[in-house]
Amino acid sequence: EPEVTQTPSHQVTQMGQEVILRCVPISNHLYFYWYRQILGQKVEFLVSFYNNEISEKSEIFDDQFSVERPDGSNFTLKIRSTKLEDSAMYFCASNPFGTGNSPLHFGNGTRLTVT
Amino acid sequence: QQPVQSPQAVILREGEDAVINCSSSKALYSVHWYRQKHGEAPVFLMILLKGGEQKGHEKISASFNEKKQQSSLYLTASQLSYSGTYFCGTKTGNQFYFGTGTSLTVIP
Repeated sequence: EPEVTQTPSHQVTQMGQEVILRCVPISNHLYFYWYRQILGQKVEFLVSFYNNEISEKSEIFDDQFSVERPDGSNFTLKIRSTKLEDSAMYFCASNPFGTGNSPLHFGNGTRLTVT
Repeated sequence: QQPVQSPQAVILREGEDAVINCSSSKALYSVHWYRQKHGEAPVFLMILLKGGEQKGHEKISASFNEKKQQSSLYLTASQLSYSGTYFCGTKTGNQFYFGTGTSLTVIP
C-alpha cells in the first residue's frame, strides 16, 4: 500500500538555525498537510496545500514557516529561524481529494529538537 | 474550533468497555477517528458521514449525531493493543482539525 514518507526521522538543530522537513505524499493525492504535535499534546494543524498553493493556514503558521512543492514530488516545511518552542513532532499528511469523505494518510513524522 | 473530547484519559482492564466522546461547537458533516500509539503517527480507524450513522471496526464502533454535533467511539471487550491516544477529526474549510485527544490505557 502506498505510504507517505518523511525525512529525516529526527532532526536536532540550534536555536536560530533554519530547518527543512521533507515529505513525499502519496503520488495520486492532491491535498497535503503539515501538523505539529508537542510531546504529549494534541495534534495541531499548521497548513494545507493544494495545486501548489497554501489553501489554509493556522495562527501557528507565521512568517517563520513556509511550504513548497519544489519538484512535484517532495513537499517541504521550512522553519526559517528555529525557536526552542518549535521542538515537536511534525507530521505530514495527504488526502486524495481534500474532502471529509476520505482519510488522512500520515507519514511517520520528524522529531525536531531545538537546543 | 477544535473538537473537545472526553474523557481526557481512561484506564481499563482487559475485556472492559469504554466510550470516548467528541463534541464540536461547529456543524459537523463528517467525523474521523484515529488512534496514535506513543511515538508513532495517527492511524485511521473510521469515518462517519451521516447523522446517526454507526460504523464498526473489529470491536470498535462509532456513532455520529449530526444534530447534536457529537460523535462517540465505543470500544468493547478491550484488548491490550487498544492502548493509545484516540483523536476525533473534522474538516472545516480546508483544514482537518483534530480533537483534544483521549489517552486510553488497557492493563492486564
